[in-house]
Amino acid sequence: DAKTTQPTSMDCAEGRAANLPCNHSTISGNEYVYWYRQIHSQGPQYIIHGLKNNETNEMASLIITEDRKSSTLILPHATLRDTAVYYCIAPRDYKLSFGAGTTVTVRA
Amino acid sequence: NAGVTQTPKFRILKIGQSMTLQCAQDMNHNYMYWYRQDPGMGLKLIYYSVGAGITDKGEVPNGYNVSRSTTEDFPLRLELAAPSQTSVYFCASSNIARLGVNEQFFGPGTRLTVL
Repeated sequence: DAKTTQPTSMDCAEGRAANLPCNHSTISGNEYVYWYRQIHSQGPQYIIHGLKNNETNEMASLIITEDRKSSTLILPHATLRDTAVYYCIAPRDYKLSFGAGTTVTVRA
Repeated sequence: NAGVTQTPKFRILKIGQSMTLQCAQDMNHNYMYWYRQDPGMGLKLIYYSVGAGITDKGEVPNGYNVSRSTTEDFPLRLELAAPSQTSVYFCASSNIARLGVNEQFFGPGTRLTVL
């Protein structure tokens, strides 16, 4: 897997956008970037993935820089239920490697 | 669809005992995975399977065995439980139909304590 670097933790105010950065400077041209999250004690949940273009779904948006060395996951209107550990993963094959992720705390 | 189911939810084992963690999926996914998660850490891949009859080691396979006789089931066997195997175990599945798309669906986990 390409090495990914994420901040250890971040806080976000409820109702505001949460922007989660991820650095993946060693990513190769055909490696996707995946985002998963893990709400306390539950199994991880897929959020979104992308290759080159920005992507949006009902949960979040993914912005990938033109050089593909970094990306940002955007939760447009964070709620208390978005409090979780967020993992940025750039696998070389179908095996995902979960690091420590970013612990996001949404505060009322 | 029930998705990915795991049994049991909790289990306490004594050192040296054996047990099988069950995992089943009803999404007809070809790929299945077993992960373990120690407190405060990320998930580590134990074993995975790309289809019935085919399994391979992940990052931390020692002390575990798996089998995949059907598409639906992927049990994980602990033969001689050790305190180091105290962890939360997650099973996952995915359908690798298109290159690069690997959305994995996870079960609720089994919390295992070895004393």
